[in-house]
Amino acid sequence: ETGVTQSPTHLIKTRGQQVTLRCSSQSGHNTVSWYQQALGQGPQFIFQYYREEENGRGNFPPRFSGLQFPNYSSELNVNALELDDSALYLCASSSSLSMGQGYGYTFGSGTRLTVV
Amino acid sequence: KNEVEQSPQNLTAQEGEFITINCSYSVGISALHWLQQHPGGGIVSLFMLSSGKKKHGRLIATINIQEKHSSLHITASHPRDSAVYICAVNEMDSNYQLIWGAGTKLIIKP
Repeated sequence: ETGVTQSPTHLIKTRGQQVTLRCSSQSGHNTVSWYQQALGQGPQFIFQYYREEENGRGNFPPRFSGLQFPNYSSELNVNALELDDSALYLCASSSSLSMGQGYGYTFGSGTRLTVV
Repeated sequence: KNEVEQSPQNLTAQEGEFITINCSYSVGISALHWLQQHPGGGIVSLFMLSSGKKKHGRLIATINIQEKHSSLHITASHPRDSAVYICAVNEMDSNYQLIWGAGTKLIIKP
């Protein structure tokens, strides 16, 4: 098992810029979910990718977009950054097998984004 | 009212104490998850439950589907157990997202 790796771990961006965050999925997992966690708050669901297609989206504007690649790794892109986008961005990988066998999700350590 | 409610919000205990964190939910679910988040931010999945009880080391998780309630217990608590414990559910027929509780901040004092 390789676990889930997110990169970068921290970054600082200026308002109006664009950012790309990356997430590898655990070996054998074909689903990646992205979450935004503002300081002192619980995570909020951004979207989920399954086999390279978006198959669920939370209440986030279109400037939040994503991709999933054939190896099931994923990117989260945020355009026109706003100060309120400052948060910890978490990704989690899973599969129907991990969910069916009761293992659930494997989370990355997150990317802490600061928008100034 | 939040769909997933946890209690207590904060809990401080002495090393060795038995800890219980509770979670109630108001939606139909296909699974319930207990997660641990340390100050650095990373989340570790502790348990995924759809019925009954699971045990891993000093951690025990139970769920009562009829009462829509789950508990996480920690026996012989240790300062390294200090973390935020989060209950989250997969809503029935909507497996693609987790609905999160607000978390319980646990501090275990030596």
